[in-house]
Amino acid sequence: EIVLTQSPGTLSLSPGERATLSCRASQSVSSSYLAWYQQKPGQAPRLLIYGASSRATGIPDRFSGSGSGTDFTLTISRLEPEDFAVYYCQQYGSSLKTFGQGTKVEIK
Amino acid sequence: EVKLVQSGGGWVQPGGSLRLSCAASGFTFSSSWISWVRQAPGRGLEWVASVKPDGSDKYYVDSVRGRFTVSRDNAETSLYLQMNSLRAEDTALYFCARQNYYGCFDYWGQGTLVSVSS
Repeated sequence: EIVLTQSPGTLSLSPGERATLSCRASQSVSSSYLAWYQQKPGQAPRLLIYGASSRATGIPDRFSGSGSGTDFTLTISRLEPEDFAVYYCQQYGSSLKTFGQGTKVEIK
Repeated sequence: EVKLVQSGGGWVQPGGSLRLSCAASGFTFSSSWISWVRQAPGRGLEWVASVKPDGSDKYYVDSVRGRFTVSRDNAETSLYLQMNSLRAEDTALYFCARQNYYGCFDYWGQGTLVSVSS
């Protein structure tokens, strides 16, 4: 099983600031099968990024993903009020898919 | 429009059973991998199980293997999760989710709550 570790646990930022979220895998994620999701309270998760760096349909370009192997990053270039939420990375390269524990982006 | 509408869930005593359903529409269900993902209260997401489009292959997280069974009815465009020998640690909000061409989860159900307690 691939274990994903996200950091930091909580990120306190102001609207307009840049957010950088990290996801580290316990072993290499094959073919960059790494996704990022956003979840707001009371809602299902929403797919943001797949293939480590491709934006899902309808996702604003302030969201970007990068990385390969075991180290991946989600960057939100300028935080909008609606971006304050919890973000999860997920690897889907193996039949046993796993999520990271999440990073909460909160308003400072 | 892609829709995943969940039903089932509720409260059950430890050792009991429940069956969750997920009715799909708006896409070719019989061509799609579908998964169950759960979220314990105040916790993160945990992948639970996945089933191949034709139902021939199924995968489970270790903690539910042997107790939970994922199945699908392509004629009815529905997914099911039969949960037996339920434990307190199975208490969670359960989501069904469609896997897109790339293998990640692009559409999600609304979630259904399962509560296991005495």
